Formats: sequence, structure tokens, C-alpha cells
Amino acid sequence: AQSVSQHNHHVILSEAASLELGCNYSYGGTVNLFWYVQYPGQHLQLLLKYFSGDPLVKGIKGFEAEFIKSKFSFNLRKPSVQWSDTAEYFCAVNPGGGNKLTFGTGTQLKVEL
Amino acid sequence: GAVVSQHPSRVICKSGTSVKIECRSLDFQATTMFWYRQFPKQSLMLMATSNEGSKATYEQGVEKDKFLINHASLTLSTLTVTSAHPEDSSFYICSARDVGASGGASDTQYFGPGTRLTVL
Repeated sequence: AQSVSQHNHHVILSEAASLELGCNYSYGGTVNLFWYVQYPGQHLQLLLKYFSGDPLVKGIKGFEAEFIKSKFSFNLRKPSVQWSDTAEYFCAVNPGGGNKLTFGTGTQLKVEL
Repeated sequence: GAVVSQHPSRVICKSGTSVKIECRSLDFQATTMFWYRQFPKQSLMLMATSNEGSKATYEQGVEKDKFLINHASLTLSTLTVTSAHPEDSSFYICSARDVGASGGASDTQYFGPGTRLTVL
């Protein structure tokens, strides 16, 4: 069965620091890849997604992610975080054309002033 | 953007009663919706896939007779937790799959705000 790993469970950064959250998946075929964010008390929101084409994907709020097929990775990055980026971040994967999303365990990001 | 609503947002019920949760796609049609369960400080676990006009598909270990799913229209799916017990207390989240006007490229799940179920 496919799995999604997010190795950083808790990350604490100061404002303006750079962010990189890791995401690795185990599925060997074509995949669609997603990053979702859940702000405190709010529902999951789509940050960005990759289906095909340019492996560097830009999303909302200055986030981007890079798909590296050889490493089965889809890491999320932001050059300069803000306090308002404090949230939980989930990586999710589904096989190309498939219905189901498999989520990683999530990374809790706290940005300190 | 695509909006998904859930109702109610919170429900408290007595053990043994049934609870119905609604999931609606507000500005798009969804032939497929999904029901997840999220435990505190854990990820989302897919419970079942709700297919409009046909039976739901349940994940391994999910009791279909306990978690009844009905997807009667292209914008509404319901999850009924029957004979609820305290161990069913959880945060239930639905999502709706938007395949987009041209299909494929917009194939994305949009999530509802969740329903907090507490069974006493």
C-alpha cells in the first residue's frame, strides 16, 4: 500500500526564516501531489498541487514545492515565513487518475515573532 | 474557489442514538465525495468514498452498517453514525472532488470545515 511520510512533526521558526518541509511517498507509478494547510480552528485548504509539467510548483501565500521523481519527494518551501503561517501542513498523494488521497501525518509549524 | 460546507459543525449525543452529518458542495457538482476521520494531533484517515447514485466504497476496517453513507445528489452526501458510542467521538471531515470543466487538470479535493462529534 502506498504511504506518505512527513518526517518533521513539529517545526519552530522565527519570522523571516526560510522553511522546508519534507514529504516522501512510496508509490512507484504516476502520482498527483498536494499540500494542504490547516490553520488553527479552520478547515483544510489547498496550498498547491502537482499533476504534470514543471516540477517546481508555486502555490498561494508564497509557498512552492518541488517534485523530484527520483527521490519520490515533494518538499514544501517558503523563503521567508510569517507569524500567520503558523498552522499544520499536510502532504497528500494519489495515483494518477485515482480517487483516493493518502495523507501524511502532518507537520505542525509554529512561527515565533 | 470551490466551497464545501458541513452541517452541523458540532454535535453532542447520547450513546445509542444516531447522528446525521451533511456535506454539500456549494458551487460545483461532485460525483464523488469522501469522508474522513481525524483524531487529535493525527492525520486524516479515509473512511469511505461516496459515489453519487451508487453505493459507497468503504475502507478496510470501517463498518458500513455503522457509518451509513448516502449520496443522493451531485451536491449532497450524508454520513449517519448509527448507534453511536463514545469511541465514535471524533472529528469527521468530508471532501468533494472537483474534476473541473475539462476534467483531469482540476481534479482536486476540497474540504469541508468538519463536524466535531461527541458521544456521551
